[in-house]
Amino acid sequence: DIQMTQSPSTLSASVGDRVSFTCRASQSVHSWVAWYQQKPGKAPTLLIHSASNLESGVPSRFGGSGFGTEFTLTISSLQPDDFATYYCLQYSTWTFGQGTKVEVK
Amino acid sequence: EVQLVESGGGLVQPGGSLRLSCAASGFSFGSYWMHWVRQTPDMGLVSVSRVNPDGGVTHYADSVTGRFSISRDNAKNTLFLQMNSLRAEDTGVYFCAKVYGSAWIDSWGQGTLVIVSS
Repeated sequence: DIQMTQSPSTLSASVGDRVSFTCRASQSVHSWVAWYQQKPGKAPTLLIHSASNLESGVPSRFGGSGFGTEFTLTISSLQPDDFATYYCLQYSTWTFGQGTKVEVK
Repeated sequence: EVQLVESGGGLVQPGGSLRLSCAASGFSFGSYWMHWVRQTPDMGLVSVSRVNPDGGVTHYADSVTGRFSISRDNAKNTLFLQMNSLRAEDTGVYFCAKVYGSAWIDSWGQGTLVIVSS
């Protein structure tokens, strides 16, 4: 199975900060990566697909990049609504990363 | 608007069975791959099973192979997960999820909680 390793597991930041976190695949998954945001007690919601394509309706402060084995999600200016946990998914063989929790610094 | 509504979760003893259902609306259900994704504190998000649009192709995570069975009724826009021989490690929230084409998950249900405990 292809493993997806997310880092860091927790990130402390302030409103207005630029934040980035990564997912590393144990082998190439081309650009078959999606990113999700999840808040406590809720289902995940899609932010990015195909590594860098912003889902319709998602604010433009979210951006994705990467190809092959290394992928990054960037929030250009953190907003109060963005404190949540973020997961990557590789949909080559369907495995999720362990998540990055963005918390208030 | 896509809606996915899970039901059937609850408390069950080890070795018992449960059948989860997911009622779909707002899209052409019979045209899309569907998943059941389990979320636990220890293992995070795991796709435990997926099924192709006509129900003829299914995949299972190793941890549930031989115990879980995914199926769908396209006439009734409903996805199922039959879970047998349940174990404590099957405890978690089970989400029904729709796939965009044959690619990423683009919609999720609200989840149903399964607790396996004596």
